[in-house]
Amino acid sequence: QVQLQESGPGLVKPSGTLSLTCAVSGGSISSDIWWSWVRQPPGKGLEWIGEIHHRGSSNYNPSLKSRVTISIDKSKNEFSLELKSVTAADTAVYYCVRHGFFSLEDWGQGTLVTASS
Amino acid sequence: EIVLTQSPGTLSLSPGERATLSCRASQSVSSNFLAWYQQKPGQAPRLLIYAASIRATGIPDRFSGSGSGTDFTLTISRLEPEDFAVYYCQQYGSSPLYTFGQGTKLDIK
Repeated sequence: QVQLQESGPGLVKPSGTLSLTCAVSGGSISSDIWWSWVRQPPGKGLEWIGEIHHRGSSNYNPSLKSRVTISIDKSKNEFSLELKSVTAADTAVYYCVRHGFFSLEDWGQGTLVTASS
Repeated sequence: EIVLTQSPGTLSLSPGERATLSCRASQSVSSNFLAWYQQKPGQAPRLLIYAASIRATGIPDRFSGSGSGTDFTLTISRLEPEDFAVYYCQQYGSSPLYTFGQGTKLDIK
């Protein structure tokens, strides 16, 4: 079974850039599957951030599109998230996810990122 | 944007009872594009149902999904202690590509 593991700083300064990486094991990131980032502010619901395919296509949530970049590194079997100009509203648990049939099938354990000075 | 509204916000039931959770969409959603997730405290969401009614791998058959158009339902036939959690519905297809309902918390009565 595919496993996903997020990594990156747990604290980001306001106006700074949030950078996270998702390591994929037990499967190839170059398979014909999409990969996403989803976030969840403390005590709140889920928000889809964006997705990427190994062929280079990506799609983003319009509410975040101007600040988000998702990239993929096939040589390392991982994909990454960059979110610029963070504010306190970006404080959340960030999950990386492997897609299923128009659904989000396999999730990483999540990593809490706090935007604070 | 398609808005998903889940009801009730909180459902208090006892083990052994039947749970019925509702997800209503602001516009019609293809049945292929409706999924349900379970989330326990401190854990990532777990996919339960996709394509409105197909159980994901390893999901017990006490979980079932139904519905079409704008009204979808997740039913848990007989609640087990481990089923008390928050449940989210999710749709695919309208921008943004993936949106979630606000969640239903299933509490032990």
